[in-house]
Amino acid sequence: AQRVTQPEKLLSVFKGAPVELKCNYSYSGSPELFWYVQYSRQRLQLLLRHISRESIKGFTADLNKGETSFHLKKPFAQEEDSAMYYCALLHGSSNTGKLIFGQGTTLQVKP
Amino acid sequence: NAGVTQTPKFRVLKTGQSMTLLCAQDMNHEYMYWYRQDPGMGLRLIHYSVGEGTTAKGEVPDGYNVSRLKKQNFLLGLESAAPSQTSVYFCASSLAGLQETQYFGPGTRLLVL
Repeated sequence: AQRVTQPEKLLSVFKGAPVELKCNYSYSGSPELFWYVQYSRQRLQLLLRHISRESIKGFTADLNKGETSFHLKKPFAQEEDSAMYYCALLHGSSNTGKLIFGQGTTLQVKP
Repeated sequence: NAGVTQTPKFRVLKTGQSMTLLCAQDMNHEYMYWYRQDPGMGLRLIHYSVGEGTTAKGEVPDGYNVSRLKKQNFLLGLESAAPSQTSVYFCASSLAGLQETQYFGPGTRLLVL
């Protein structure tokens, strides 16, 4: 079954510390994965997608097919990174499929 | 350009009552989605639409119905509300499929007593 697992409900780090938000997936096909973020009192928004191989706000995520993971990383956390982060997997085709979201991880960056 | 808007922002219902949540987008997007967000469960897809006049079931469709009579609107209906439907409901839209970014609305908090 297709599934996205974010094992940590809450990740708390100090400002300037490295951050890694874990995401593991279960999918039989070739996965397309995304990270969405929801800042306090703001809408859920796309942070990055693996096919773009981009870095947004200092965050990167590498798809590791061997470990079926798509962890989100940032070398130096900032207070403004505090938010809820969701990993999502595209199930099916990009035209007829749907996104399966993980349970979400709250990142708390302390001063 | 308002993006994706949702009406109402908050609602309290009694068990058995019905209501309709309205999602509107002004970006001419083909695809629209309804999700519910529950603690520890993440976002789960209720129903979605790939174009005007079309709808399809998501992961958790039971107890909900939807309609997409106009391209810009996607309605989510609860015919007989149950306490298990207490949740935050998010609407989203994307231009043409999931390879495109999904744009989310601000959410509707629903409490069913």
